[in-house]
Amino acid sequence: GQNIDQPTEMTATEGAIVQINCTYQTSGFNGLFWYQQHAGEAPTFLSYNVLDGLEEKGRFSSFLSRSKGYSYLLLKELQMKDSASYLCAVEAYGQNFVFGPGTRLSVLP
Amino acid sequence: SAVISQKPSRDICQRGTSLTIQCQVDSQVTMMFWYRQQPGQSLTLIATANQGSEATYESGFVIDKFPISRPNLTFSTLTVSNMSPEDSSIYLCSVRTGDGYTFGSGTRLTVV
Repeated sequence: GQNIDQPTEMTATEGAIVQINCTYQTSGFNGLFWYQQHAGEAPTFLSYNVLDGLEEKGRFSSFLSRSKGYSYLLLKELQMKDSASYLCAVEAYGQNFVFGPGTRLSVLP
Repeated sequence: SAVISQKPSRDICQRGTSLTIQCQVDSQVTMMFWYRQQPGQSLTLIATANQGSEATYESGFVIDKFPISRPNLTFSTLTVSNMSPEDSSIYLCSVRTGDGYTFGSGTRLTVV
């Protein structure tokens, strides 16, 4: 099976930078995804990491270390609309796509 | 990426009744996934639906409670049977696409 852990809640200020961590334990790792979910809406895809390193996409970046079972999502220049839940999810060979518990981010003015 | 049309978007149902949720994808996909998201929680996989074979259910979910149909490569239904208030959740379908997993807009179910 897979075990995924994220902080439950985080708070940050508009314009700041926030890092949301995700640790996982799995065999047959195939990739790690980050999703954003606003209240009452479906999750939307943010990033996908297969290899170690940093993937940058505008204000959002995602980092992966497969040897450490660790990823983080970095959000820069925070905006009020970034207040949402952020879910990391792991895909593994022969296993289903599993979501972490999610991190609820509140951006304050 | 694929576009998924899911309906109904929400429903309020009496306990003991059943509700069927539909997902239509704009392209052919091998596998479709059904998730449940209880209030304030993350997504939990219910089952994987393959065309032409019986769905594969995760631990804690059974076919009698959540029957699934997959008549072709673009469509699937999930039925929530003999509902109780504990079934009140958001139900989402999903497909694997080139850049990740795409989700339907979800069905918010309230059982009274």
